[in-house]
Amino acid sequence: KAGVTQTPRYLIKTRGQQVTLSCSPISGHRSVSWYQQTPGQGLQFLFEYFSETQRNKGNFPGRFSGRQFSNSRSEMNVSTLELGDSALYLCASSFFGANVLTFGAGSRLTVL
Amino acid sequence: SQQGEEDPQALSIQEGENATMNCSYKTSINNLQWYRQNSGRGLVHLILIRSNEREKHSGRLRVTLDTSKKSSSLLITASRAADTASYFCATDEGGGTSYGKLTFGQGTILTVHP
Repeated sequence: KAGVTQTPRYLIKTRGQQVTLSCSPISGHRSVSWYQQTPGQGLQFLFEYFSETQRNKGNFPGRFSGRQFSNSRSEMNVSTLELGDSALYLCASSFFGANVLTFGAGSRLTVL
Repeated sequence: SQQGEEDPQALSIQEGENATMNCSYKTSINNLQWYRQNSGRGLVHLILIRSNEREKHSGRLRVTLDTSKKSSSLLITASRAADTASYFCATDEGGGTSYGKLTFGQGTILTVHP
């Protein structure tokens, strides 16, 4: 079966712009989590959605938001981009949100 | 915040040798997992060990867990060049369902020379 699909894979934005990243989970998986990976901070949890509801949230400013659609696909949005938002954004899915996560290949965001 | 700390930060070995990497964490956990990441791509799950288990094997992988010391180790036996990657431990905190939240260590970069 198809894996977790993230789009776009690469994107370049300038400070102050906003960006939307998309994630399609494995068929049947209803939980989608988002992580940010940077060289300095490592892998950090952003938020998790299940059945269109945010169940868990990491320690990120309100500029970072997300949503999940009825087909379990998820999007995350970052508004008013800052240089420090440059990172690899990883989406992961699981059946219920616990234990083993299946990750996508990531969306690499560069903010200039 | 990063709960897990891993050592070494980098490990360089020859093919056929064993690689051992260690992970420490701070809070009580339900499970501890190890993931592999190849060159800035997505993470791949390797193995999960529950808090009531002490050792687990999967192919060339052996994981140990010492909850009294809040530490785990991953052993890769008979390493191959294809094992070159970054390895991360990840924990979900005890006391309830983590709802997709894993806390990752900083990772160990393993390089296996042919």
